[in-house]
Amino acid sequence: GEDVEQSLFLSVREGDSSVINCTYTDSSSTYLYWYKQEPGAGLQLLTYIFSNMDMKQDQRLTVLLNKKDKHLSLRIADTQTGDSAIYFCAETAMDTGRRALTFGSGTRLQVQP
Amino acid sequence: EPEVTQTPSHQVTQMGQEVILRCVPISNHLYFYWYRQILGQKVEFLVSFYNNEISEKSEIFDDQFSVERPDGSNFTLKIRSTKLEDSAMYFCASSPPAGVADTQYFGPGTRLTVL
Repeated sequence: GEDVEQSLFLSVREGDSSVINCTYTDSSSTYLYWYKQEPGAGLQLLTYIFSNMDMKQDQRLTVLLNKKDKHLSLRIADTQTGDSAIYFCAETAMDTGRRALTFGSGTRLQVQP
Repeated sequence: EPEVTQTPSHQVTQMGQEVILRCVPISNHLYFYWYRQILGQKVEFLVSFYNNEISEKSEIFDDQFSVERPDGSNFTLKIRSTKLEDSAMYFCASSPPAGVADTQYFGPGTRLTVL
């Protein structure tokens, strides 16, 4: 079945760039997403990328997709303390009719002042 | 900005009792979902709902679970006879009519504690 893996923890200093990595197994994945979860809150959609793209930029966020290696990354430029949260990678395979999101285990980003 | 809302934020129940978790999806959305996150584990898909019927469900979504859209605004998840292992955060999500991507917007969650 589908599987999505992420490293569990990342610590950076304020102002640095953060790079959160994700790997997935389903070659039929069509959309890949990044969600942010702050303590006690729900899942906030940050950005997504279609599988025929290799890069998407949205303000401080850059998503890179290597479809051959099934590797997705989220780069946050100029990381701020407010970026401290858990970041989830997720995917769907809409071409096969699967809308259900498969999530990774989440990467806890800690931003030190 | 429109958002998905869920009630209650926290529900405590005794094992064997029925619970109903409620969600109000974003008003023009057509697809509705329930996910759960057991403490320390991944967010897991339970069920999706479209056009007044279940469109997908996972192995977790067994006969103890049911979903309903009783009116034009609410979307509910019922657990008939709760078990200890049903303790989790339950998230509702909705997504707009078919578009470029199935962008699912999540509610804040209901924490279910089964004693």
